[in-house]
Amino acid sequence: DTAVSQTPKYLVTQMGNDKSIKCEQNLGHDTMYWYKQDSKKFLKIMFSYNNKELIINETVPNRFSPKSPDKAHLNLHINSLELGDSAVYFCASSRGGSLGNEQFFGPGTRLTVL
Amino acid sequence: AQSVSQHNHHVILSEAASLELGCNYSYGGTVNLFWYVQYPGQHLQLLLKYFSGDPLVKGIKGFEAEFIKSKFSFNLRKPSVQWSDTAEYFCAVTPNLSGGYNKLIFGAGTRLAVHP
Repeated sequence: DTAVSQTPKYLVTQMGNDKSIKCEQNLGHDTMYWYKQDSKKFLKIMFSYNNKELIINETVPNRFSPKSPDKAHLNLHINSLELGDSAVYFCASSRGGSLGNEQFFGPGTRLTVL
Repeated sequence: AQSVSQHNHHVILSEAASLELGCNYSYGGTVNLFWYVQYPGQHLQLLLKYFSGDPLVKGIKGFEAEFIKSKFSFNLRKPSVQWSDTAEYFCAVTPNLSGGYNKLIFGAGTRLAVHP
């Protein structure tokens, strides 16, 4: 009964490669998010989509491109990977984008760039 | 810019000790407040949240937090910790910005280690 799932769980790749992380939620939510957790455990929002429309876009390099094919999916594609992209990426979803709606988090994808 | 400060980066306690983790935020308007927990190797889970009403909020697993508006604080407490409470604890805020989108701003986290 996975609510928010991410694939892959671990991703090890070389600098310069392009990779994607997938996220799916089966909660019927219409808002999804990507967060980055760095090596010091600091969590920061990257993007948010509401009904497949981008509503939050923090200061993220344009090598990162989110794509939402439907309300239940929000994928993250990263071009030309750099060492500093190594982190744990968490997907989350909520019922609506309104303030205070609880966000449910996925298990995370640990990305290591060599 | 809005920010969330967690004063203790690492806390070490013995079982049955009382816990208080500090959280302060910088935004002066209406906010919604959250505490999330991340057990080793697991994803974030919501412990408790404050939207309005009684400033003393009860959460899961015996945790509670008190919103003190005048101090811009939302400290997490538990009267008696257990070894299983060993985890990373994150305070988070959604400020009531124009557009009203649900953007969680996290503190840096507090790593709690409870020794048997």
